[in-house]
Amino acid sequence: GNSVTQMEGPVTLSEEAFLTINCTYTATGYPSLFWYVQYPGEGLQLLLKATKADDKGSNKGFEATYRKETTSFHLEKGSVQVSDSAVYFCALSGSGGYQKVTFGTGTKLQVIP
Amino acid sequence: DTAVSQTPKYLVTQMGNDKSIKCEQNLGHDTMYWYKQDSKKFLKIMFSYNNKELIINETVPNRFSPKSPDKAHLNLHINSLELGDSAVYFCASSQGRERAGELFFGEGSRLTVL
Repeated sequence: GNSVTQMEGPVTLSEEAFLTINCTYTATGYPSLFWYVQYPGEGLQLLLKATKADDKGSNKGFEATYRKETTSFHLEKGSVQVSDSAVYFCALSGSGGYQKVTFGTGTKLQVIP
Repeated sequence: DTAVSQTPKYLVTQMGNDKSIKCEQNLGHDTMYWYKQDSKKFLKIMFSYNNKELIINETVPNRFSPKSPDKAHLNLHINSLELGDSAVYFCASSQGRERAGELFFGEGSRLTVL
């Protein structure tokens, strides 16, 4: 079956530091890949997505590139802010029909001033 | 206007009781979901409905019964609550097969079973 593995947190960074959260996946066919963000006390929000190999998803300064050869979709941001503190989830959706979304275990990011 | 709204936001109850959580979406989406998030933030799908038809039914105790009266509403009824049911339950929606992975979540309903 499909699975998503992401780095364990928590990740603690100083403001303006560079962020990388690693994500790798296992899936058959051609899945779509996503990053979701969950701020404290809220539901998840879609942050960015990529639907085919070599696509780069980007939003709010975050980026991730769909790498089929390494089955990875690492999340990056050049300069984090305190307001980026949240839990980040990597996810995939299989191809064909109504496929359920498989989530990683989440990585908590804490940005300190 | 809240796109996906759930009620109640908090629910504290005793073991053995029956409770319901309601969800409504005003996005015009055709598919709705229930997810359970445990204390470690692990997110697990429970059910999914497409236009009132059940399309995903994960291995969930039959004490949990979803009901979708129309495509904008998906409710979750839980019988004989157990301690292990304590979690945050999220409703979500999406539109169409091609965008099934683009989920819109509600704010969650935190269930505490004492």
